Amino acid sequence: GEDVEQSLFLSVREGDSSVINCTYTDSSSTYLYWYKQEPGAGLQLLTYIFSNMDMKQDQRLTVLLNKKDKHLSLRIADTQTGDSAIYFCAESDSGAGSYQLTFGKGTKLSVIP
Amino acid sequence: DSGVTQTPKHLITATGQRVTLRCSPRSGDLSVYWYQQSLDQGLQFLIQYYNGEERAKGNILERFSAQQFPDLHSELNLSSLELGDSALYFCASSVRDKGTGELFFGEGSRLTVL
Repeated sequence: GEDVEQSLFLSVREGDSSVINCTYTDSSSTYLYWYKQEPGAGLQLLTYIFSNMDMKQDQRLTVLLNKKDKHLSLRIADTQTGDSAIYFCAESDSGAGSYQLTFGKGTKLSVIP
Repeated sequence: DSGVTQTPKHLITATGQRVTLRCSPRSGDLSVYWYQQSLDQGLQFLIQYYNGEERAKGNILERFSAQQFPDLHSELNLSSLELGDSALYFCASSVRDKGTGELFFGEGSRLTVL
């Protein structure tokens, strides 16, 4: 079945870059997503990438997709304390006709001032 | 604020009981999704409704059921509750049922079964 794996914790210093990695198994994934969850809040979509793209940049966020290795990464430049949160990687197979997303267990990013 | 409203925010109940969680999607969104978040299982997709009809089913137990009403709000019913049902239940909504897939999540309903 589908599976999404992420490391559980990442700690970085304020001002450094953060890189959160994710691997997935479903080769038919059409879209891959990064969601952010702050304490006590729901998930918020940060960015997504279509499976025929290699890279997507949006302000401080850079998403890299290696489809051959089924590896997705999220780079946050100039990480701030406000970036401390749990980051979820997710995949969906649009062909399945649903936004049924398969999520990783989340990477907790801690930013040290 | 995502525009998705979930009630109640917190709920404490006993084993064997039945509860109903409610979700109001964003204005204009036709699709509603339910997810369960627990420490050991992570985020698990339960069920999706689109414009009142069930569209997809995930790891939803037979003790759980859901529906989407004509006004597009949705309810998730959990019955014969067990300790292991303690979790955060999220509702999400989207305009369509497939495509680029931006889901808007509510803040969740935290269920504690004692």
